[in-house]
Amino acid sequence: DAKTTQPNSMESNEEEPVHLPCNHSTISGTDYIHWYRQLPSQGPEYVIHGLTSNVNNRMASLAIAEDRKSSTLILHRATLRDAAVYYCILSGGPQGAQKLVFGQGTRLTINP
Amino acid sequence: EPEVTQTPSHQVTQMGQEVILRCVPISNHLYFYWYRQILGQKVEFLVSFYNNEISEKSEIFDDQFSVERPDGSNFTLKIRSTKLEDSAMYFCASRSEGLARTGELFFGEGSRLTVL
Repeated sequence: DAKTTQPNSMESNEEEPVHLPCNHSTISGTDYIHWYRQLPSQGPEYVIHGLTSNVNNRMASLAIAEDRKSSTLILHRATLRDAAVYYCILSGGPQGAQKLVFGQGTRLTINP
Repeated sequence: EPEVTQTPSHQVTQMGQEVILRCVPISNHLYFYWYRQILGQKVEFLVSFYNNEISEKSEIFDDQFSVERPDGSNFTLKIRSTKLEDSAMYFCASRSEGLARTGELFFGEGSRLTVL
């Protein structure tokens, strides 16, 4: 499984944007970049995913570097509810029951 | 919004006892997974299941573990003889089609297993 590197922790203030970085220098051409988050005492939750182009959804934006060796999850206006562990995960290859392999993720703290 | 449901939310058992954790995946989903998370540690993959058979399993998923889809709706994880180190939160997950296309794996709230 291709590896990702994320900072252990980050801190931000409520109502400010948050940029969560992820390095994946060994990404292959068919690997998708997925972001999940885990709120306290809950199961992981899908946030966003992308391949090459930047992606936006109601939760966040995903900015993917041109060489695809890094990406950034952007929370445009953080709320206290966004405090969670954020995981950047690669997956790809042929269709199938592909698992997600979670790393340690980035623990995001939001200050009121 | 459809969701993955898991029961029990918390189970306490004695070492050596058998435990069955139950999951009801989202109804039109085809791929099923079990993960576990030991307190304070990362989420670990245990097993994936498709078309009534195991697709992939991790080293953690040894002979003490088994999975089953007995009735077309439930998806169960059985631990035959629990050990202290099996104490963890167990998450069930499901998805509808190719991971790369949908990107979304739906997780349940988890079942906390405590082995005494």
